[in-house]
Amino acid sequence: DSGVTQTPKHLITATGQRVTLRCSPRSGDLSVYWYQQSLDQGLQFLIQYYNGEERAKGNILERFSAQQFPDLHSELNLSSLELGDSALYFCASSPGGGFIDEQYFGPGTRLTVT
Amino acid sequence: AQSVTQPDIHITVSEGASLELRCNYSYGATPYLFWYVQSPGQGLQLLLKYFSGDTLVQGIKGFEAEFKRSQSSFNLRKPSVHWSDAAEYFCAVGFNAGGTSYGKLTFGQGTILTVHP
Repeated sequence: DSGVTQTPKHLITATGQRVTLRCSPRSGDLSVYWYQQSLDQGLQFLIQYYNGEERAKGNILERFSAQQFPDLHSELNLSSLELGDSALYFCASSPGGGFIDEQYFGPGTRLTVT
Repeated sequence: AQSVTQPDIHITVSEGASLELRCNYSYGATPYLFWYVQSPGQGLQLLLKYFSGDTLVQGIKGFEAEFKRSQSSFNLRKPSVHWSDAAEYFCAVGFNAGGTSYGKLTFGQGTILTVHP
């Protein structure tokens, strides 16, 4: 158990819908990262937040947005969902904001868009 | 463009045999290098990392990796594989962005390891 929790574990929804994925980092970690893992694209970095501020951005679609709240939990919002958005979405956390700190991964949220 | 390549999609070894998983990166400077393991239905777990110094790094579960600058490689090795090592292994690279401390990792496509008894 990494100490990172993600809810829900599974999510099935229809095209065009909007969903919110939630992540609670390990106690004391200030950074939260979101990754998408799919068969087509592999494991891709989406976005990083550090202490409430966006720190780094990857291949995140405009239909996707994220935020980190004052209690440091984070939410990833996916809207206008398409079939290709079906994937496993991982959240990770680390104490600081750089590479020096190990990233601890949650178990993931599996999103299925039908 | 910066990239990470794991040439082997799937590797099968017998229990007790040695293992080497390959990882190559494309980048103009020395990146930050990582190996992660993902067991079925689980998140990723860090095995080891290289930032600087000794090019042979030791990790958890008996794994080690060697950074070879001349070959732009960071191959993962284990002298004797156990059945519990069956999993998917990801090489990841952090590319320094001009002094700012970021955590963005670029992952390879992964190598699935199957261990035969």
